[in-house]
Amino acid sequence: EAQVTQNPRYLITVTGKKLTVTCSQNMNHEYMSWYRQDPGLGLRQIYYSMNVEVTDKGDVPEGYKVSRKEKRNFPLILESPSPNQTSLYFCASSDRPAYEQYFGPGTRLTVT
Amino acid sequence: AQSVAQPEDQVNVAEGNPLTVKCTYSVSGNPYLFWYVQYPNRGLQFLLKYITGDNLVKGSYGFEAEFNKSQTSFHLKKPSALVSDSALYFCAVTLSDETYKYIFGTGTRLKVLA
Repeated sequence: EAQVTQNPRYLITVTGKKLTVTCSQNMNHEYMSWYRQDPGLGLRQIYYSMNVEVTDKGDVPEGYKVSRKEKRNFPLILESPSPNQTSLYFCASSDRPAYEQYFGPGTRLTVT
Repeated sequence: AQSVAQPEDQVNVAEGNPLTVKCTYSVSGNPYLFWYVQYPNRGLQFLLKYITGDNLVKGSYGFEAEFNKSQTSFHLKKPSALVSDSALYFCAVTLSDETYKYIFGTGTRLKVLA
């Protein structure tokens, strides 16, 4: 089954404790992206990747890091999480920008 | 600055009536436009897109959208709403096939009343 998986699905952590949210897709897509969803703000793009070792900033990259060492994986790293990073995070992938994005199920992160 | 606007936070419609969810955009160049739907506790699902060609595009679940270049709009429509259409709808835009930079609207909650 074609899918994008994210782990963990739920995470409660404390300020400053480094964490990684994993994202993996099994569709051999070149393009992958991370978004955060906040009430009243919709989805905002954090980082995206157009191929292995090629990443670029979206609209809200501050406080986040990404890497793309393999085509299927695109982890999101929060090196020192803060409460304003409490949000619902989605990973997505597609064959090309003009094609539909496939979204993961989301990761709900709470930083206290 | 490039932007996407969904002017209505919520749209209520009676089952069986036509529905419209509005989206306007402000980008330079020719946009690629998308609609996605989010059901409770789920990720987003693709509904339809406009890249080029016919201004009226048809998508999943009986939805369609009309691209209007002069009004910079891409409204989502359905002739007859179902209760099961109740969800959160997002309009999105990207600028070309050369970038993966996306802008999403703030979302419109559609409530279809039985």
